[in-house]
Amino acid sequence: DAGVIQSPRHEVTEMGQEVTLRCKPISGHDYLFWYRQTMMRGLELLIYFNNNVPIDDSGMPEDRFSAKMPNASFSTLKIQPSEPRDSAVYFCASSASTEQYFGPGTRLTVT
Amino acid sequence: GIQVEQSPPDLILQEGANSTLRCNFSDSVNNLQWFHQNPWGQLINLFYIPSGTKQNGRLSATTVATERYSLLYISSSQTTDSGVYFCAVVLATGFQKLVFGTGTRLLVSP
Repeated sequence: DAGVIQSPRHEVTEMGQEVTLRCKPISGHDYLFWYRQTMMRGLELLIYFNNNVPIDDSGMPEDRFSAKMPNASFSTLKIQPSEPRDSAVYFCASSASTEQYFGPGTRLTVT
Repeated sequence: GIQVEQSPPDLILQEGANSTLRCNFSDSVNNLQWFHQNPWGQLINLFYIPSGTKQNGRLSATTVATERYSLLYISSSQTTDSGVYFCAVVLATGFQKLVFGTGTRLLVSP
């Protein structure tokens, strides 16, 4: 299996622009997670889906963030409008209910 | 919320040395994972170990769920072991939400 796939790997954008991060989970996994890693807050869960349905979005920082999972093999995390404090590494992970496997991450820089 | 504390925060070793990393958690958990974040930022699964002991090559881990701690042992360390080691837990009432510790930063010098 190719593992969890994320794109892009790096994204540099200007404040106010829309940013879309993409994730393809491991085939057969029915849980998908979005995490964010920063120096100040470490690794924190933003939102997770089960069978394409959002279960817990309590970690989403504010309304500028939204996530969708239109089918079992694709999810997006969108930030609109982006701000410099959104700069971080965003990880997607998937699981078949127990062990979670992480993608390589997207390093986002907002200038 | 649950507290996940890791110690030591930083560790410097000579190649070939052994080490023990500790993870303490403040509540009952259903799931515990150890990860290695390499210098390129990738999170690599080491162990899924909600209880008991597992070994994989030079690494082994033990979780004592009733006493709320887990240990990661690294033997005969190599420079490629450098990076940050994270413990992450799922609360017994926390569905699938992984809560990460603050990590142990390991540097293995040749």
